[in-house]
Amino acid sequence: AQTVTQSQPEMSVQEAETVTLSCTYDTSENNYYLFWYKQPPSRQMILVIRQEAYKQQNATENRFSVNFQKAAKSFSLKISDSQLGDTAMYFCAFMKHGDTDKLIFGTGTRLQVFP
Amino acid sequence: EAQVTQNPRYLITVTGKKLTVTCSQNMNHEYMSWYRQDPGLGLRQIYYSMNVEVTDKGDVPEGYKVSRKEKRNFPLILESPSPNQTSLYFCASSPTRTKTMFFGSGTQLSVL
Repeated sequence: AQTVTQSQPEMSVQEAETVTLSCTYDTSENNYYLFWYKQPPSRQMILVIRQEAYKQQNATENRFSVNFQKAAKSFSLKISDSQLGDTAMYFCAFMKHGDTDKLIFGTGTRLQVFP
Repeated sequence: EAQVTQNPRYLITVTGKKLTVTCSQNMNHEYMSWYRQDPGLGLRQIYYSMNVEVTDKGDVPEGYKVSRKEKRNFPLILESPSPNQTSLYFCASSPTRTKTMFFGSGTQLSVL
């Protein structure tokens, strides 16, 4: 069975600084997808970034980028130029390649951006 | 606007009183699923549906029922709610093979 581990329950960063959230996963699969979701106080689940395991190039979306290390089963999220609106819970998630789109989530990291 | 709509957003009920949380999507997605979110546990899948009349259990199905009579709707039914079902519930949908999940806004359920 696949598992996702987020070892940082809480983190904080000053506005305009850079922060990295950690995520490791365990799987015997070779084809899979990894995601970071943001959950602000509104509770909405917002997709931040997605990585396909067969792609070696790290995904980027504006200020958000990942460091995907397939051999180490590590998938960290880097937020550059942090903004107050980045304050949220961040979830790392795994999805096996196949017919069912089942997401397996980590326990989340609560990020606080302060002025 | 493409969206997944859940209702209600908040629900307080008592033990044993049957309830239904509705979920509807307007994107013609084949795949729909329900998750519950609990502090320290992240989100866990309850049930999923690959298409109309095709449903299957996720990781935590006990105490829940679902149905998929129409492609757009996937209600979550709690026949006899108990306090351990107090949680934040999310409905999600996706078109198959794209691996892009759309989430509803969540339903906060409290069972007293």
